[in-house]
Amino acid sequence: KQEVTQIPAALSVPEGENLVLNCSFTDSAIYNLQWFRQDPGKGLTSLLLIQSSQREQTSGRLNASLDKSSGRSTLYIAASQPGDSATYLCGPEASSNTGKLIFGQGTTLQVKP
Amino acid sequence: DTGVSQNPRHKITKRGQNVTFRCDPISEHNRLYWYRQTLGQGPEFLTYFQNEAQLEKSRLLSDRFSAERPKGSFSTLEIQRTEQGDSAMYLCASSLVSGQIGELFFGEGSRLTVL
Repeated sequence: KQEVTQIPAALSVPEGENLVLNCSFTDSAIYNLQWFRQDPGKGLTSLLLIQSSQREQTSGRLNASLDKSSGRSTLYIAASQPGDSATYLCGPEASSNTGKLIFGQGTTLQVKP
Repeated sequence: DTGVSQNPRHKITKRGQNVTFRCDPISEHNRLYWYRQTLGQGPEFLTYFQNEAQLEKSRLLSDRFSAERPKGSFSTLEIQRTEQGDSAMYLCASSLVSGQIGELFFGEGSRLTVL
């Protein structure tokens, strides 16, 4: 059974810092992996999709890497802003290529002005 | 708005009542997913459809839960005889699968409170 762990569970930083959010998963036989952000009481917003054959993906100040063999993905946020405050979730796709994502509890980020 | 739409956004009901949630996916997306999320937890997979076919159901989906996607477009999730433990956010997502790639897009969710 795939289990996802995100470390740290919570993070509070001053504006402008560069951040690293970690995601580990127990079953390395995954297809793709998506990173999302979730604002309180809202749905999930897709940030990045790393395809199975890729090792990283970039969008603006965000960069995500994927190391399937070690069961890890990392989300790097550059020059953090108060608007980045949210919960960040990683979702590896189960090996059966159903598009079914398995989530951990996420990392709750607070960026202070 | 061309995103995933969910209705109602909030539902308060008494234990034992039936509730139904609707999800309208992004147009032409062939896959549709339902997830459940309780406070402080990540979303948990419930079920998914490829077009109108329901391909997988989680063990979390007891026999009080039923989901349909009758014409391969919108989907409904019905919960019969609601229990307090059903209180959660119910999230719908859709994707357009091309090859082995299908980015999931989520709706804003339907929050259920069972009194």
